[in-house]
Amino acid sequence: EVQLVQSGAEVKKPGESLKISCKGSGYSFTSYWIGWVRQMPGKGLEWMGIIYPGDSDTRYSPSFQGQVTISADKSISTAYLQWSSLKASDTAMYYCARLGGGNSGWFDPWGQGTLVTVSS
Amino acid sequence: SYVLTQPPSVSVAPGKTARITCGGYNIGSKTVHWYQQRPGQAPVLVIFYDSDRPSGIPERFSGSNSGNTATLTISRVEAGDEADYYCQVWDSSNDHNYVFGTGTKVTVL
Repeated sequence: EVQLVQSGAEVKKPGESLKISCKGSGYSFTSYWIGWVRQMPGKGLEWMGIIYPGDSDTRYSPSFQGQVTISADKSISTAYLQWSSLKASDTAMYYCARLGGGNSGWFDPWGQGTLVTVSS
Repeated sequence: SYVLTQPPSVSVAPGKTARITCGGYNIGSKTVHWYQQRPGQAPVLVIFYDSDRPSGIPERFSGSNSGNTATLTISRVEAGDEADYYCQVWDSSNDHNYVFGTGTKVTVL
């Protein structure tokens, strides 16, 4: 079974750094792009960026370029999303998802989500 | 940037048909995918490549795409279909830019 398992909920203060993870299993982790999606409280889905773990090729949404860093460690089948200095506005649920079907493809499956709360 | 517009809400009685639209400029030239997100859960793919269903998704879910509108149709609606639904495309005019629709809340009366 293809599965993505994300790290647990985080509570941080503004200005702190954070790295959350997404571990893939049940498939060749290096052969599929992994995307990250933000969902702010009560809002819709926003695509943040995508990484190809095979060679770490990474693309960012213009809205998130420079705000976050996406990386991957193929030796442990894990992708990461990190912030160097969190803001209250980063409070959201973050999902990782595997991209299927090539460039014009779909996200499936999704991780269970990581809730990030940033509050002083 | 490319924008996908969905109605904020759709209400439907059990056993009836729900149609959720996704509007975008010349969306018929793109491939559209649809996701269901039940409260407190992660999104689940229900339609890919405009009209294909992943294994495990009931035949009651179908999709179409033409012109400036893509449509997700849910036939014989059940209480368990109450959820938020999002369309998604890849905008080839922006390298690897994936776009989600604004989302539609389906309420089963």
